[in-house]
Amino acid sequence: KAGVTQTPRYLIKTRGQQVTLSCSPISGHRSVSWYQQTPGQGLQFLFEYFSETQRNKGNFPGRFSGRQFSNSRSEMNVSTLELGDSALYLCASSLGSTLEQFFGPGTRLTVL
Amino acid sequence: DQQVKQNSPSLSVQEGRISILNCDYTNSMFDYFLWYKKYPAEGPTFLISISSIKDKNEDGRFTVFLNKSAKHLSLHIVPSQPGDSAVYFCAASGPGAGSYQLTFGKGTKLSVIP
Repeated sequence: KAGVTQTPRYLIKTRGQQVTLSCSPISGHRSVSWYQQTPGQGLQFLFEYFSETQRNKGNFPGRFSGRQFSNSRSEMNVSTLELGDSALYLCASSLGSTLEQFFGPGTRLTVL
Repeated sequence: DQQVKQNSPSLSVQEGRISILNCDYTNSMFDYFLWYKKYPAEGPTFLISISSIKDKNEDGRFTVFLNKSAKHLSLHIVPSQPGDSAVYFCAASGPGAGSYQLTFGKGTKLSVIP
């Protein structure tokens, strides 16, 4: 069974640009969650999607948005990038709840 | 305000001995707790979990203990092996909409010395 895949793995952008990250969940998993990991703040919850609907959202500004497609694949978008957005962005999938979320390898975003 | 705290950023243990990683939480609504292990350049990997209706869960070398009155949980690894060297994250979730998100601690880096 293939794991959670995230593309791209590495990304370099400049301030003010926007970026779209992609996540393909494990086959059969309908829930996709996104997390931001930084050295200072650890892993912080961004949002969670289930059956194309956002069920929960963390405390991030509106520049961070996401969506989920009918095949459960998910994208995350960050507009007007700031230096502080540099982080590892992790996607996790599960059957439908937080029980045993399976994480992808992450996308390392660097904002210059 | 951090709702899940791992107060030890790092821990070193001799191979074969017990590793004890600790985690404290402040939100009394949390009812499910998980431990994840993370190697560099990889995503976190689920290790073991425990529901608030239990006080202990065991899986091979890994045991998680939950003390609800103290809002404290711990992960015991016995015996510790060099391959256990990684960053360990404690995570928690709550009922309702809270069950759809994990709140993580900042992690403890475990080094198992051969």
